[in-house]
Amino acid sequence: RKEVEQDPGPFNVPEGATVAFNCTYSNSASQSFFWYRQDCRKEPKLLMSVYSSGNEDGRFTAQLNRASQYISLLIRDSKLSDSATYLCVVNVNTGGFKTIFGAGTRLFVKA
Amino acid sequence: DTEVTQTPKHLVMGMTNKKSLKCEQHMGHRAMYWYKQKAKKPPELMFVYSYEKLSINESVPSRFSPECPNSSLLNLHLHALQPEDSALYLCASSQDATVKGYTFGSGTRLTVV
Repeated sequence: RKEVEQDPGPFNVPEGATVAFNCTYSNSASQSFFWYRQDCRKEPKLLMSVYSSGNEDGRFTAQLNRASQYISLLIRDSKLSDSATYLCVVNVNTGGFKTIFGAGTRLFVKA
Repeated sequence: DTEVTQTPKHLVMGMTNKKSLKCEQHMGHRAMYWYKQKAKKPPELMFVYSYEKLSINESVPSRFSPECPNSSLLNLHLHALQPEDSALYLCASSQDATVKGYTFGSGTRLTVV
């Protein structure tokens, strides 16, 4: 079983739709959680950190469920520019910190 | 300055060449990283430097040799690479090697011929 698992998609949605991605992690020593966005042939960019209390940044809402070991990302009112790969990233405390990337979920937003 | 700068952006090298990738940040970050990313795959960690000391080497072949001359600079020296080493090489930095998110550079797209 992979340490961080995501549905690879692709998710094809129309503009204005709401779309949600989930990510599960297996290591209970996971301590911090992030969503990154990566455009084709570009570097990953930090989208948002994820907290147990949930956090929102404009149209994006991230949630962490430690009991079930999953994190989610909700995008409301999708824009064409949201088309990208969304990477779930987990930091695990193994004595030192190890950062584990999920394989990414591809999103295509169409007009 | 909130950027990580990588040079060169593109590099084509032969299997007998020696080349170096460079990475620079001036955000005062004390952890710096090299990642390798193949097409349609997530980034794979290669090396972690924390406070200018190599703290993680993810069993990377010796044909890749990292160097951290100071807290702002990170190099990756390449020698006798194989075609399968062709990939996007990403440098990243973070405030420290604990719980903070990364800032990535735009990467060096390496082709080994």
